[in-house]
Amino acid sequence: GQNIDQPTEMTATEGAIVQINCTYQTSGFNGLFWYQQHAGEAPTFLSYNVLDGLEEKGRFSSFLSRSKGYSYLLLKELQMKDSASYLCAVRSPTNAGKSTFGDGTTLTVKP
Amino acid sequence: DAMVIQNPRYQVTQFGKPVTLSCSQTLNHNVMYWYQQKSSQAPKLLFHYYDKDFNNEADTPDNFQSRRPNTSFCFLDIRSPGLGDAAMYLCATSTSTVFEQYFGPGTRLTVT
Repeated sequence: GQNIDQPTEMTATEGAIVQINCTYQTSGFNGLFWYQQHAGEAPTFLSYNVLDGLEEKGRFSSFLSRSKGYSYLLLKELQMKDSASYLCAVRSPTNAGKSTFGDGTTLTVKP
Repeated sequence: DAMVIQNPRYQVTQFGKPVTLSCSQTLNHNVMYWYQQKSSQAPKLLFHYYDKDFNNEADTPDNFQSRRPNTSFCFLDIRSPGLGDAAMYLCATSTSTVFEQYFGPGTRLTVT
């Protein structure tokens, strides 16, 4: 089975940096995704890590440590529009693309 | 633009009255998924199609069925909706080489 843990809520200030953590305990692992989901909307893909290390994409970076079962999403230069839920999802090695999602971290960006 | 489309966006049905939600995609992806998402919870995978092969999650109730008549379309049938089935239903697609999932806008189902 898969167990994925993320903080439920976080608050940060516009222009700041925030790190959203995700820990996972899985029977198999074949990559970790981060998705962004605005209220009432569908999730949209942010990043995919399959090897250890940091992946940078503009203001967003994602880090993975497979030995520790740990990932984080780093958001820099926060903007009000970054207020959303951030979902961590672990991909199963047995079915192409099948992923198990965490409950998400609701980030509120304040002026 | 290539995309995933879900219809309707909002669906109201009565307790016990069958309902069908539809999903279509122009991405030509071979994998399609149906998720149920309740407020402040993770999307819960109900089933997915890998090409024509249907894969049901072990804990998906028998009340939920799916059809995929061709690559582009997939349907979710709820045979006898209960109040607990009120949720957002998300359709997503991916391929066996590009693993991230592309989601449709969702159908919000209300059961009265």
